[in-house]
Amino acid sequence: DTGVSQDPRHKITKRGQNVTFRCDPISEHNRLYWYRQTLGQGPEFLTYFQNEAQLEKSRLLSDRFSAERPKGSFSTLEIQRTEQGDSAMYLCASSEGLAGQETQYFGPGTRLLVL
Amino acid sequence: GDSVTQMEGPVTLSEEAFLTINCTYTATGYPSLFWYVQYPGEGLQLLLKATKADDKGSNKGFEATYRKETTSFHLEKGSVQVSDSAVYFCALSDHTGGFKTIFGAGTRLFVKA
Repeated sequence: DTGVSQDPRHKITKRGQNVTFRCDPISEHNRLYWYRQTLGQGPEFLTYFQNEAQLEKSRLLSDRFSAERPKGSFSTLEIQRTEQGDSAMYLCASSEGLAGQETQYFGPGTRLLVL
Repeated sequence: GDSVTQMEGPVTLSEEAFLTINCTYTATGYPSLFWYVQYPGEGLQLLLKATKADDKGSNKGFEATYRKETTSFHLEKGSVQVSDSAVYFCALSDHTGGFKTIFGAGTRLFVKA
């Protein structure tokens, strides 16, 4: 068990560019979450996968955001045409067990800065 | 919709002082409640949880009791240490209406030697 990993850890991009982040969950976990965290705030839910199925998306997730989890393993989060307001820490978490009661295991996050 | 409100920080205490961090919630269903902690330079990790009313979660000397009547889940520790300095997040998970977990804004704790 190597924990949840995220890549890259830091990303600086120019406004209008596309970026893609990767999350590798704990191998036996069937649930995967993406969150966004800005300075001084708690994580905000973006989207949730159970295996390869994306079961919920937040209204925060505009059309410029897309997430995938092919084969129910790693996940990617893509932001198209980035805006300065997208600058934040993007967190991934994975879990297993009884829905709603499970412990989520968080990765270290990807810090995005849009110039 | 569901929400979590926790006391604003920072909270600054001397070592061995008593700690309380208040957390109240609003939920339409019967949520599970969590405290997560983020130590400097590290990712979020679960500190404790409670899944039904009157349950008490405990870990590392920290405790919190799920109070349905006051919709609260206050975090307490009888004697804090410098190593407890971190940001603490209260959270709820109510999968009856979806799959999202709602986090509070976090409370930063500084413990002085």
